[in-house]
Amino acid sequence: DTAVSQTPKYLVTQMGNDKSIKCEQNLGHDTMYWYKQDSKKFLKIMFSYNNKELIINETVPNRFSPKSPDKAHLNLHINSLELGDSAVYFCASSQEENTEAFFGQGTRLTVV
Amino acid sequence: AQKITQTQPGMFVQEKEAVTLDCTYDTSDPSYGLFWYKQPSSGEMIFLIYQGSYDQQNATEGRYSLNFQKARKSANLVISASQLGDSAMYFCAMREHSLGELSFGAGTTVTVRA
Repeated sequence: DTAVSQTPKYLVTQMGNDKSIKCEQNLGHDTMYWYKQDSKKFLKIMFSYNNKELIINETVPNRFSPKSPDKAHLNLHINSLELGDSAVYFCASSQEENTEAFFGQGTRLTVV
Repeated sequence: AQKITQTQPGMFVQEKEAVTLDCTYDTSDPSYGLFWYKQPSSGEMIFLIYQGSYDQQNATEGRYSLNFQKARKSANLVISASQLGDSAMYFCAMREHSLGELSFGAGTTVTVRA
């Protein structure tokens, strides 16, 4: 069974559209994350969320919003997509600070 | 300021030889964890090894070992007996006690030659 799963794996869309990426983890972890990996492969935290607190990286545009219907899911909604949003987006989860984060397979978003 | 620094953009290593990937970090938090991840060309992020700031011994996981030098704030990854399948990008990351998320370095691309 996949521990952290994201859908879709590939997403091609036009500028101005609104899209969502889904993420589910079956590990029972308390904390989930969204990371963005740019064209230079640099990984940057976008959001971290547990059932108590949402922490938003201040550099993330407010067009991006995480939504968590329950502890096992953290979806990423993106409004008014821009060319610069093209990247690979990774969902991840972890239980405690001294344990590794498990990553989903990534979603390659291409805005045209 | 960059919390994790990986100074080697790319490295070549001969099959069956060992390779060391450099990583230095910056934190004032006394409690933190250091992680290494592998990202092959297929794109997934694979956890390799973890070192806690209070761990007395260097972490090892199979052919991976972490050379932890706390005073120097370095956490180098050593891959022994390199295999062709080790060709990938390798990321060093840190999680500070005061923060929940991982901070990543820029990565090092390793190419193993036959």
